[in-house]
Amino acid sequence: ETGVTQSPTHLIKTRGQQVTLRCSSQSGHNTVSWYQQALGQGPQFIFQYYREEENGRGNFPPRFSGLQFPNYSSELNVNALELDDSALYLCASSLGGLAGDEQYFGPGTRLTVT
Amino acid sequence: GDSVTQMEGPVTLSEEAFLTINCTYTATGYPSLFWYVQYPGEGLQLLLKATKADDKGSNKGFEATYRKETTSFHLEKGSVQVSDSAVYFCALLRSGGYNKLIFGAGTRLAVHP
Repeated sequence: ETGVTQSPTHLIKTRGQQVTLRCSSQSGHNTVSWYQQALGQGPQFIFQYYREEENGRGNFPPRFSGLQFPNYSSELNVNALELDDSALYLCASSLGGLAGDEQYFGPGTRLTVT
Repeated sequence: GDSVTQMEGPVTLSEEAFLTINCTYTATGYPSLFWYVQYPGEGLQLLLKATKADDKGSNKGFEATYRKETTSFHLEKGSVQVSDSAVYFCALLRSGGYNKLIFGAGTRLAVHP
């Protein structure tokens, strides 16, 4: 069974640029959630995708957007990067519906905005 | 809104000492509760969970009991090892159309030989 993978591992961007982060979900999982973890804090929910549709969103501005593909992999896009966007971005996959209470996390992408 | 509060770290222990990391939550209803562990430079690993009141989750010597009356889910281990050094996160699952985890701020544990 393949676990959750994310790419790239690290990324450095300049304020105002755009970035795309990628996630491959665990085999058999159809739901992907994205979280932002600032240094020294717990992860914060950004949004969730289920069967290629966004079905839930946290308190993040519209410049945070995403996609889910037919193979259930996912992308997180962030436009107009700000310094405060520097964080570890975590992707988690799960089963949809009532069986989806366990979320399995990837290793994360460390984004630094300068 | 829903929230999770954990004891502040770092917690520093000697090997074979007893560990308790306190976690309390505020939520409507009875959400599932989780402990995740994050080793340096890595993502989160699910450590254990409990889905209803009085459930005890356990894994790798760690235990936590879902206490509805005190809204708590404290993590315990009888004898810690150096390899347990990590950051531990308590979380609740908010369901309703979609599932999202709400995390505490994390507690760093350092175990010395």
